[in-house]
Amino acid sequence: DGGITQSPKYLFRKEGQNVTLSCEQNLNHDAMYWYRQDPGQGLRLIYYSQIVNDFQKGDIAEGYSVSREKKESFPLTVTSAQKNPTAFYLCASSTIAGAETQYFGPGTRLLVL
Amino acid sequence: DQQVKQNSPSLSVQEGRISILNCDYTNSMFDYFLWYKKYPAEGPTFLISISSIKDKNEDGRFTVFLNKSAKHLSLHIVPSQPGDSAVYFCAASVRNTGNQFYFGTGTSLTVIP
Repeated sequence: DGGITQSPKYLFRKEGQNVTLSCEQNLNHDAMYWYRQDPGQGLRLIYYSQIVNDFQKGDIAEGYSVSREKKESFPLTVTSAQKNPTAFYLCASSTIAGAETQYFGPGTRLLVL
Repeated sequence: DQQVKQNSPSLSVQEGRISILNCDYTNSMFDYFLWYKKYPAEGPTFLISISSIKDKNEDGRFTVFLNKSAKHLSLHIVPSQPGDSAVYFCAASVRNTGNQFYFGTGTSLTVIP
């Protein structure tokens, strides 16, 4: 089955620790995205990538980093510089830039210990 | 600044009645609009979209209306079913200038049997 997988479903971070959220897609999509969802807020774009080895900052990129070494994979690292990392993180993909819709993974909930 | 707004955080409707979810936007450059449906702890799934060249798009029980002069769109669900209970996000984009979607804060719909 084609789709987007995110792992883990839940992730715990200790103070000062970097953690990496995985996102994999087998839809052969060119573009991939990371969003953050907080209670009472919409989805806010962290980073996006339109092609391998290229990515752009979204509205709230501070404290996060990404890589796009393979078309299928777009991991997100939440660094210790992100002071309020507790949130629900969603990865999405689409066929091309400006595509008609984005397809979302199931999400990862990050909690701080 | 929130460019896409959903001013009603929640809505309750009796089964069989019409559900109307509203969305307002501020950026007059937006020319493509979408509605997503999201269940708890899952990623959003695409529901229906509309281009700014239209003022209505229908798909089964779901109809989206666009009023460009008022910068307002709405999603109508008729008849509402208990399985429609979810959070609904509207999103907007400017096509052909990149693929950033701007999401509203969501409306939680409860359909009462």
